[in-house]
Amino acid sequence: AQSVSQHNHHVILSEAASLELGCNYSYGGTVNLFWYVQYPGQHLQLLLKYFSGDPLVKGIKGFEAEFIKSKFSFNLRKPSVQWSDTAEYFCAVGTGRRALTFGSGTRLQVQP
Amino acid sequence: SAVISQKPSRDICQRGTSLTIQCQVDSQVTMMFWYRQQPGQSLTLIATANQGSEATYESGFVIDKFPISRPNLTFSTLTVSNMSPEDSSIYLCSVETGGEETQYFGPGTRLLVL
Repeated sequence: AQSVSQHNHHVILSEAASLELGCNYSYGGTVNLFWYVQYPGQHLQLLLKYFSGDPLVKGIKGFEAEFIKSKFSFNLRKPSVQWSDTAEYFCAVGTGRRALTFGSGTRLQVQP
Repeated sequence: SAVISQKPSRDICQRGTSLTIQCQVDSQVTMMFWYRQQPGQSLTLIATANQGSEATYESGFVIDKFPISRPNLTFSTLTVSNMSPEDSSIYLCSVETGGEETQYFGPGTRLLVL
């Protein structure tokens, strides 16, 4: 069965700092990769996704993620975070079964 | 994407009772899923709700505990039966719109079992 690892459980940054959240998965076949975000008091929203093609994908709010197949990784990045980026971020993997396997989540706290 | 609503948004229940959670979508969707998010943990898939047939359950989840209905392409229910405090979680439904292979999530139902 596939699994997803998010190495950073809690990240604290100052505004304008750069962000990189790690995500690794274990699955030998073709995968679809997702990052979801859950802002305080809100429901889970899709941030970006990768199915195929250019391994660098851009999402909403200035986020991007890079798929590195050889490393089974799909790390999320943002050059300069804002206080409004404070949220919990989930990496998820989809396989041919259509259901998603989620990582444990990373809580990002951005200090003004 | 689709607009997804869930009822109730939250509830406090006594152990031994059952609660039915509804998930309504504003458009017809091919796939609907039910997830659980236990306190401080990530999302775990409970089952895939299949229209016109029995749900497909993940390992560790059984129909007697979590019966699911999906009478049409816009609606599904999840029942949490014979509840215990360990069932205290957020229950979320998600949908995958036709051909997109991307899931969108409802707002969740926050359940506390005393």
